[in-house]
Amino acid sequence: DGGITQSPKYLFRKEGQNVTLSCEQNLNHDAMYWYRQDPGQGLRLIYYSQIVNDFQKGDIAEGYSVSREKKESFPLTVTSAQKNPTAFYLCASSGQGANNEQFFGPGTRLTVL
Amino acid sequence: SQQGEEDPQALSIQEGENATMNCSYKTSINNLQWYRQNSGRGLVHLILIRSNEREKHSGRLRVTLDTSKKSSSLLITASRAADTASYFCATDAGGAQKLVFGQGTRLTINP
Repeated sequence: DGGITQSPKYLFRKEGQNVTLSCEQNLNHDAMYWYRQDPGQGLRLIYYSQIVNDFQKGDIAEGYSVSREKKESFPLTVTSAQKNPTAFYLCASSGQGANNEQFFGPGTRLTVL
Repeated sequence: SQQGEEDPQALSIQEGENATMNCSYKTSINNLQWYRQNSGRGLVHLILIRSNEREKHSGRLRVTLDTSKKSSSLLITASRAADTASYFCATDAGGAQKLVFGQGTRLTINP
């Protein structure tokens, strides 16, 4: 089955620790995205990548880092510099060009203890 | 900043009734998309409408777009309990294939 997967589903972190969220897609999409969603809110863009080995900051990149070494994978690291990391994190992918829908993974809920 | 603003923020109706949600945006766009999110899940794409289109249908969904008013509406006809979810509009005003999402409308269908 084609799709986009995220792991883990739930993640708990102690303050001061870095954690990495996984995102994998087998849709052969060039573009991938990371969003953050807080309770009752919309999605805010953290980072996006339009092609392998290239990525750009979104609206709320501070305290986060990414890599795009493979087309299929776009991991997100939440660093200790992120002051309020507890949130629901969503990964998405899309084809190149305008008028493309984004396909979303099931999300990772991160809680800082 | 949020490009899309959905209205209302929450909507509760009886099963079988129609549900209408509105979205307003600020800058010119090439297209506008609507997504659904069930609680605790990822988003699912519903429909995309291009800036040169005024209305689009998909099953029980009807989307309109008024570029002069910078607004769109999503109508769900003959609602079902399974339609209970949050609905988001997203525009491509972010450029470079980026989408900008509104804060969503929480729709509850009561049996």
